[in-house]
Amino acid sequence: NAGVTQTPKFQVLKTGQSMTLQCAQDMNHEYMSWYRQDPGMGLRLIHYSVGAGITDQGEVPNGYNVSRSTTEDFPLRLLSAAPSQTSVYFCASRESGISSYNSPLHFGNGTRLTVT
Amino acid sequence: AQTVTQSQPEMSVQEAETVTLSCTYDTSESDYYLFWYKQPPSRQMILVIRQEAYKQQNATENRFSVNFQKAAKSFSLKISDSQLGDAAMYFCAYRSAIWNYGGATNKLIFGTGTLLAVQP
Repeated sequence: NAGVTQTPKFQVLKTGQSMTLQCAQDMNHEYMSWYRQDPGMGLRLIHYSVGAGITDQGEVPNGYNVSRSTTEDFPLRLLSAAPSQTSVYFCASRESGISSYNSPLHFGNGTRLTVT
Repeated sequence: AQTVTQSQPEMSVQEAETVTLSCTYDTSESDYYLFWYKQPPSRQMILVIRQEAYKQQNATENRFSVNFQKAAKSFSLKISDSQLGDAAMYFCAYRSAIWNYGGATNKLIFGTGTLLAVQP
């Protein structure tokens, strides 16, 4: 009963380094998304995907790339890390379609990223 | 654009007492969904309760209930018989019910959260 799995749990990067945050779900959800959580700002949407091969930008997409080659996986790439990207990152998925229009988001356990 | 406001950054309640967390939202839409999520220190995001705007009856899940006032655009969460395990950050969230791609593109918009402390 894995649900949404994020790796790693913690990561420290130096400014300018790149990395990929991994996200996988085993619930066959079409919709997947990435949020970042910062103190006093709640959760803000970075990118989302409504199915394999389809991605779109959220509220704060700059500095992040995504791709969706399979239904299960939705990695988030930081091309050149900046201190402003220090945050907690959540991947989330949900069902979509006629029979699941009110379905809630299922979250991973988050990745705490620090950029020095 | 829709917004969600939680005006209480922090609240405190005595164990076994009742507490109400406030949430207001701004939208021009008539159909939407509202959610409360709990985030304990473990960082996990846990769905507490959800409400569909077209339903007049307030949602209830055990000790958790909502007071949904559609005209006032208010969606408060009441926690009865508070327990130590209720201590967490609570987020209110909104999602449109507009039928784009089966609702697939409708984003979940969060408030800034209320940190609830439970005193023994």
